[in-house]
Amino acid sequence: GAGVSQTPSNKVTEKGKYVELRCDPISGHTALYWYRQSLGQGPEFLIYFQGTGAADDSGLPNDRFFAVRPEGSVSTLKIQRTERGDSAVYLCASSSTGTGDYEQYFGPGTRLTVT
Amino acid sequence: ILNVEQSPQSLHVQEGDSTNFTCSFPSSNFYALHWYRWETAKSPEALFVMTLNGDEKKKGRISATLNTKEGYSYLYIKGSQPEDSATYLCAFRYNTNAGKSTFGDGTTLTVKP
Repeated sequence: GAGVSQTPSNKVTEKGKYVELRCDPISGHTALYWYRQSLGQGPEFLIYFQGTGAADDSGLPNDRFFAVRPEGSVSTLKIQRTERGDSAVYLCASSSTGTGDYEQYFGPGTRLTVT
Repeated sequence: ILNVEQSPQSLHVQEGDSTNFTCSFPSSNFYALHWYRWETAKSPEALFVMTLNGDEKKKGRISATLNTKEGYSYLYIKGSQPEDSATYLCAFRYNTNAGKSTFGDGTTLTVKP
């Protein structure tokens, strides 16, 4: 079946602008995760959804970052007043459950560049 | 702050060499340890999920071991091939928040033909 998809694949925006990044998880996966990866580092946890609700948003760096998953499937990561430090690859992953012996399936990422 | 450390940061080997790298994680509150392979321009791919102390898992030429008491896992690649070139990431999940993964910075392996 289809894997995790993310759009856009690349996004260039000017400092101060608003951006939305979309993630389509694998159908039927209840858990969805957002990570941010900077060059030379591992993925950094941002937020994790179980169904429609954010089970853990402790990784969101500040109140400019917000994510939703209104119907328990597609999720959107929203960044307000972008800063150059927000430039990174944003990865989305999904799993059939958020606990237990699960595997996370990752999308290809969205590369965000803030100029 | 949860520290997950991977070493070495990078590794260059010849085709046919066997190699291994390390993931270190907190020895308390362990829930699971994941290994991923991330090839350039592709999505990270799950290799192993390890949950029990002493676990050993194998997939083809790649295997992994787990020691939760001392807080480390080894990933082994036997007879490296150029297609094994990738960044290998480990991710730790702790038992008070099992949905959240903390990743190391990865080991980048380059296998020369």
